[in-house]
Amino acid sequence: SQKIEQNSEALNIQEGKTATLTCNYTNYSPAYLQWYRQDPGRGPVFLLLIRENEKEKRKERLKVTFDTTLKQSLFHITASQPADSATYLCAPYPGGYQKVTFGTGTKLQVIP
Amino acid sequence: DVKVTQSSRYLVKRTGEKVFLECVQDMDHENMFWYRQDPGLGLRLIYFSYDVKMKEKGDIPEGYSVSREKKERFSLILESASTNQTSMYLCASSSTGREKLFFGSGTQLSVL
Repeated sequence: SQKIEQNSEALNIQEGKTATLTCNYTNYSPAYLQWYRQDPGRGPVFLLLIRENEKEKRKERLKVTFDTTLKQSLFHITASQPADSATYLCAPYPGGYQKVTFGTGTKLQVIP
Repeated sequence: DVKVTQSSRYLVKRTGEKVFLECVQDMDHENMFWYRQDPGLGLRLIYFSYDVKMKEKGDIPEGYSVSREKKERFSLILESASTNQTSMYLCASSSTGREKLFFGSGTQLSVL
């Protein structure tokens, strides 16, 4: 069956360091992989999308990589700040009329 | 700015009641989605719709139905609410490509 795995444990990191979050998937062939941020009591907010033919995508302090051989995406936040503390969700998406399914998310805590 | 509006932020209902959760988007999006989110289980897709009067089952449709009579509105219906349907319900919409989902703020439903 299809499975999306993210670090189940919370990730604590010192301010200024780089946070790296992992998204692994099985029995999927995503055409895209989406990353979202979710704050407590709010809906997720879209951050970045990477396509299957892209190895890396950057947006300001965010970087996403996508390895279709390893079936893995890595999400990096450089120079992390306490305001980056949130839960981050990945969603591998096959494309077309397929459903959009999310991982359980990784809670990131940036410590001042 | 784009907006997905859910009718209630908090809702308390009794077991056996019929419950309607309403979602309206102002972006002329073709696709609309209903998810529920529970601690440790992440976002789970209940139903989605890619056009007016069209609907597709997600991963956990049992106990739910949906209605999409107009493009901007997608309703989730709990025919006979049960305590295991206590959850945060999130509505989302996207354009045809589904490359980016826009979420509402969520409805925290408690069934007593």
